[in-house]
Amino acid sequence: DAGVIQSPRHEVTEMGQEVTLRCKPISGHDYLFWYRQTMMRGLELLIYFNNNVPIDDSGMPEDRFSAKMPNASFSTLKIQPSEPRDSAVYFCASSFRNTIYFGEGSWLTVV
Amino acid sequence: GESVGLHLPTLSVQEGDNSIINCAYSNSASDYFIWYKQESGKGPQFIIDIRSNMDKRQGQRVTVLLNKTVKHLSLQIAATQPGDSAVYFCAENSLSGGYNKLIFGAGTRLAVHP
Repeated sequence: DAGVIQSPRHEVTEMGQEVTLRCKPISGHDYLFWYRQTMMRGLELLIYFNNNVPIDDSGMPEDRFSAKMPNASFSTLKIQPSEPRDSAVYFCASSFRNTIYFGEGSWLTVV
Repeated sequence: GESVGLHLPTLSVQEGDNSIINCAYSNSASDYFIWYKQESGKGPQFIIDIRSNMDKRQGQRVTVLLNKTVKHLSLQIAATQPGDSAVYFCAENSLSGGYNKLIFGAGTRLAVHP
């Protein structure tokens, strides 16, 4: 199994631009999570889906952030407009039952 | 609110020694705990888990201990190797709530010296 696949791995964008991060979960997993990691705040859960349905988005920082999961094999996290304080590593993760498996992350820098 | 291990200490050990990484949690309803290892530039990697009906669980070179009385979790790594150098996170979950939501601590950095 290829694991959780995220793209892009690295992105540098200018403030105000739209950023779209993509995730392909492990096949057969019914939960998908988006986390953000920064030095200041550590790993934060932004949103998670169960069977493609958003269950808890209380961690999404602002209306600038949105996430979708149109099918069981694909999810996006969008930031529009992006700001320098959004610079972080964004992890997608998936699980079936209890163990959550993480992707390698998307490293976002907003200048 | 819920919190797990709110600081990022560093543990330095000599290669071959045993390492013990500690974690405190605050949510009494948590009944499932996981340790993750994160190497530089990579995502967190599952190491070992334990349910609240257990006090100890062993894996390959790793042991997790759970003390529910004082809400404390520890990860023991035997014969620590340079490849064990990473940040280690404990995470808690409440499976009884019917959903699958991990809360992570801030992590502990393990530095292994030759």
